[in-house]
Amino acid sequence: EIVLTQSPGTLSLSPGERATLSCRASQSVSGNYLAWYQQKPGQAPRLLISGASNRAGGIPDRFSGSGSETDFTLTISRLEPEDFAVYFCQQYGSSRTFGQGTKVEIK
Amino acid sequence: QVKLVESGGDLVKPGGSLRLSCAASGITFSAYYMSWIRQTPERGLEWVGYVSGSGDTTGYADSVKGRFTISRDNAKSLLYLQMNSLRAEDAAIYYCARRSVYFDFWGRGTKVTVSS
Repeated sequence: EIVLTQSPGTLSLSPGERATLSCRASQSVSGNYLAWYQQKPGQAPRLLISGASNRAGGIPDRFSGSGSETDFTLTISRLEPEDFAVYFCQQYGSSRTFGQGTKVEIK
Repeated sequence: QVKLVESGGDLVKPGGSLRLSCAASGITFSAYYMSWIRQTPERGLEWVGYVSGSGDTTGYADSVKGRFTISRDNAKSLLYLQMNSLRAEDAAIYYCARRSVYFDFWGRGTKVTVSS
């Protein structure tokens, strides 16, 4: 099973700042089959990115994904108030597994 | 727009059974693989399994294989999760989601509690 480790656990930033979230896989993710989700309290996760770098429909371009093999990054270029949430990565190259999440909180 | 609404979550005793449902609207239901995913504070998000658009192909996580069954009724746009031999570790919020590899639309979830 591919284990995904996200860091940091919590990111404390101010609106307007840049957020960089990391997702590291225990082995190479074939096809760069990696997705990112945003989850707010009491809500279901929302797909942001698939295929490591492809934004889902309706996702603002301040969200971008990059990386390959075992190291992936989600970048939010300028945090808006609605971006403070928990973010999960998920790989689908070998079955499907999720990271434990990074919380982006207001500083 | 796409809407997925889960139901059927309840308190059940260990060893018991429960069936969850997911009602879909706003999509051509039969065209899509559908999945179940669960979430707990302790273990996070865990993929449970999927069913093909026709219903003739399924796949399951090892943790539920042989105990859980996913099926669908395309005429009614309904997805099901039959859970048997429930264990304490199956307690979670269960989400249905569209697609089977990444998940582009999710319901709001239904809570399953397993306790004696």
